[in-house]
Amino acid sequence: AQSVTQLDSHVSVSEGTPVLLRCNYSSSYSPSLFWYVQHPNKGLQLLLKYTSAATLVKGINGFEAEFKKSETSFHLTKPSAHMSDAAEYFCVVSDRGDYKLSFGAGTTVTVRA
Amino acid sequence: NAGVTQTPKFRILKIGQSMTLQCTQDMNHNYMYWYRQDPGMGLKLIYYSVGAGITDKGEVPNGYNVSRSTTEDFPLRLELAAPSQTSVYFCASSWTPQETQYFGPGTRLLVL
Repeated sequence: AQSVTQLDSHVSVSEGTPVLLRCNYSSSYSPSLFWYVQHPNKGLQLLLKYTSAATLVKGINGFEAEFKKSETSFHLTKPSAHMSDAAEYFCVVSDRGDYKLSFGAGTTVTVRA
Repeated sequence: NAGVTQTPKFRILKIGQSMTLQCTQDMNHNYMYWYRQDPGMGLKLIYYSVGAGITDKGEVPNGYNVSRSTTEDFPLRLELAAPSQTSVYFCASSWTPQETQYFGPGTRLLVL
């Protein structure tokens, strides 16, 4: 069975400082891992995904994530936060051979001017 | 190319009423999904479909039904609305479960 734990429900950063969103996962097989972003009153948009290629994955808008199998983690980072990064972020896992995704509870990012 | 579309955007239902949430995708994806999103709870899978004529239950199927008569459409039916079904509902589609899911804009449902 697969599951995801997002370790922070809320992260607040100043504009121009780094952002770190932490995600641990549990998976029975080789997982696919995703980060999605949801801006207020909008649907979800893919930021990036890991599907067993390079362990460091680059996504849109300057975000990247590193897959660490030994730590069962897939943390999301961005070197310099922008006001437009204020949103809800979801870490998602899918086991190979499974039809379903499992979503974390989400991390709300606030960016201070 | 519209992607995934959902109607209506917002609806208020009285307890016991029924309604259908519509979802259509134009990307020829086999996999389609219905989720509900409650505050602070992430997304929970209600039902999913792996192709026309094939559907299966997700984590929270009680009180809902689905059908998939075509590749494009995946409607979600609420038969007897209850306050616990107040939520935001998202439809999504993908080529495979390991590929990107494309989400619709959501339907906000309030049951009073």
